[in-house]
Amino acid sequence: SQTIHQWPATLVQPVGSPLSLECTVEGTSNPNLYWYRQAAGRGLQLLFYSVGIGQISSEVPQNLSASRPQDRQFILSSKKLLLSDSGFYLCAWDRQAPLEAFFGQGTRLTVV
Amino acid sequence: AQRVTQPEKLLSVFKGAPVELKCNYSYSGSPELFWYVQYSRQRLQLLLRHISRESIKGFTADLNKGETSFHLKKPFAQEEDSAMYYCALGDSGAGSYQLTFGKGTKLSVIP
Repeated sequence: SQTIHQWPATLVQPVGSPLSLECTVEGTSNPNLYWYRQAAGRGLQLLFYSVGIGQISSEVPQNLSASRPQDRQFILSSKKLLLSDSGFYLCAWDRQAPLEAFFGQGTRLTVV
Repeated sequence: AQRVTQPEKLLSVFKGAPVELKCNYSYSGSPELFWYVQYSRQRLQLLLRHISRESIKGFTADLNKGETSFHLKKPFAQEEDSAMYYCALGDSGAGSYQLTFGKGTKLSVIP
């Protein structure tokens, strides 16, 4: 069966520090991968998606970047965090038939 | 561009009362619509999809293309239904499947 792992679960970082959130998927190959941010009152916002190694599409301009160094690994990064980067970040992959997205447990990021 | 609107941020109902979570969408193609649910301290997960025409945990949702709506309904709310509910529109173009989510509705069932 397929599983998705996301870590860390919580993170408190000072403004200006770097960020690296990791997500890995097991049990499937060449998945489409996604990073979402969940904010109160703003719902789920798609940040990045990837259809293959090294292929990253950004949905919104921001202080964050994403990378996919391996088939089942998706990393969300920042060189210098801003206060506005605080939020709940979700990694996901999707299955095409039938269509369904599967989400990780999420990372609560607090920038102080 | 596709858009999903959930007009209610918070919906409170008494146990045993009917529930309707509203969802409207804007999409130029043939939509695939979903409801996702996030219970406290659990992962966001699929509740139901319109193409399955299924009832999950007593919830149903009918796609109304004329009104561009996909409201989630349950005749008798239970306390365990309290959760965050997201309506989502699937766009399977461009080689990847992308979900556009609404802002979510927090359902609170009062005992």
